[in-house]
Amino acid sequence: SSELTQDPAVSVALGQTVRITCQGDTLRNSYASWYQQKPGQAPVLVIYAKNNRPSGIPDRFSGSASGNTASLTITGAQAEDDADYYCNSRDSSDDHVVFGGGTKLTVL
Amino acid sequence: QVQLQESGPGLVKPSQTLSLTCTVSGGSISSGGYYWSWIRQHPGRGLEWIGYIYHSGTTYYNSSLKSRVTISVDTSKNQFSLNLNSVTAADTAVYFCARNRLSGTSYWFDPWGQGTLVTVSS
Repeated sequence: SSELTQDPAVSVALGQTVRITCQGDTLRNSYASWYQQKPGQAPVLVIYAKNNRPSGIPDRFSGSASGNTASLTITGAQAEDDADYYCNSRDSSDDHVVFGGGTKLTVL
Repeated sequence: QVQLQESGPGLVKPSQTLSLTCTVSGGSISSGGYYWSWIRQHPGRGLEWIGYIYHSGTTYYNSSLKSRVTISVDTSKNQFSLNLNSVTAADTAVYFCARNRLSGTSYWFDPWGQGTLVTVSS
């Protein structure tokens, strides 16, 4: 089964823009979804199907994709965006579901 | 809106079977187009997909756990369950249930249950 690679940690100044990336071969054939997880809580879907936001997710969250890389961009990061972010996709070759290792975002 | 809630023992002895149930409210587990998954998170670590079930009973498991995992569904109770046998300390984790959807080339989990910590220890 394939893997998804994320940078372990990223930081951003309050109000600035940050991009979190996810790389893997499965992303050449499927779109990534993105989840936000705060300590002691369940993950929350923030982006699905490349660049769709569920109801209630602020429009400062957006997604994009190119080749084997998917990106989550937060435009104007807020203090409440300080969290872990995970990407996930499906490996169409064996129907496995894969998650990235997660990126800890610190809002300074 | 749809909500999921995990339930089951928080402590399991080594070599025994871990059994958890996920109760779905606010919607029917028999709704077409959705699958129902179990995912776990080892302490301080990332997410690991365990497997999913469709309301018809069709299942698919992570190959790394396939020999020990069974996921079943009870549509009359609007629940699905996880059994993981021959557990060891390495199975200590927070276990989440989630609804997942496959659409074209996209696959996502929403919503998630709050998660339940299962500790494997004698």
